[in-house]
Amino acid sequence: DQQVKQNSPSLSVQEGRISILNCDYTNSMFDYFLWYKKYPAEGPTFLISISSIKDKNEDGRFTVFLNKSAKHLSLHIVPSQPGDSAVYFCAASGIQGAQKLVFGQGTRLTINP
Amino acid sequence: NAGVTQTPKFQVLKTGQSMTLQCAQDMNHNSMYWYRQDPGMGLRLIYYSASEGTTDKGEVPNGYNVSRLNKREFSLRLESAAPSQTSVYFCASSTQGFSGNTIYFGEGSWLTVV
Repeated sequence: DQQVKQNSPSLSVQEGRISILNCDYTNSMFDYFLWYKKYPAEGPTFLISISSIKDKNEDGRFTVFLNKSAKHLSLHIVPSQPGDSAVYFCAASGIQGAQKLVFGQGTRLTINP
Repeated sequence: NAGVTQTPKFQVLKTGQSMTLQCAQDMNHNSMYWYRQDPGMGLRLIYYSASEGTTDKGEVPNGYNVSRLNKREFSLRLESAAPSQTSVYFCASSTQGFSGNTIYFGEGSWLTVV
């Protein structure tokens, strides 16, 4: 049973435009959400997180939105740059990150020049 | 700045062979983890060690054993490799527990079992 789902395996966006990556979860006990970025032949690196007490968190070009009632989060990248081409994983945890992280399947983002 | 170092990076095994994946971190982290990544499955936790001297099963522990050798090192052993264990393995570490924004991953070990 996939508790965290990223339904889009891939996404292609024009450079300079907005990239929107989506993630859905089923476990209502999740209260801490993260996005990781992964380049080929490298390990995932932390990008941005959000706690369930917030509905938005911003860090430079990256913004994560959380809709608790819909059990949905999204990552917005504005403007998209070629270096943003990577696989993005969303992850969720309970008790403010103290429980095990559950990862989604990943979305491969390609930014076209 | 080594961070989390895994060896080997690539390995091909025959079914039934055994091998150990080594992992070391130089960040003085308390917790260490082994994940596997399979196409369409995301990262799944195999085993973790919350602190030196303790290990616990994750989501997919069957067919694996681990050893927390000291605070720096956490090894993953496949006693009798099976084709289903073909995967990319990631070691990770964190200061404490699963606080996601402090989890640091190694570069991965590509394992093929034929």
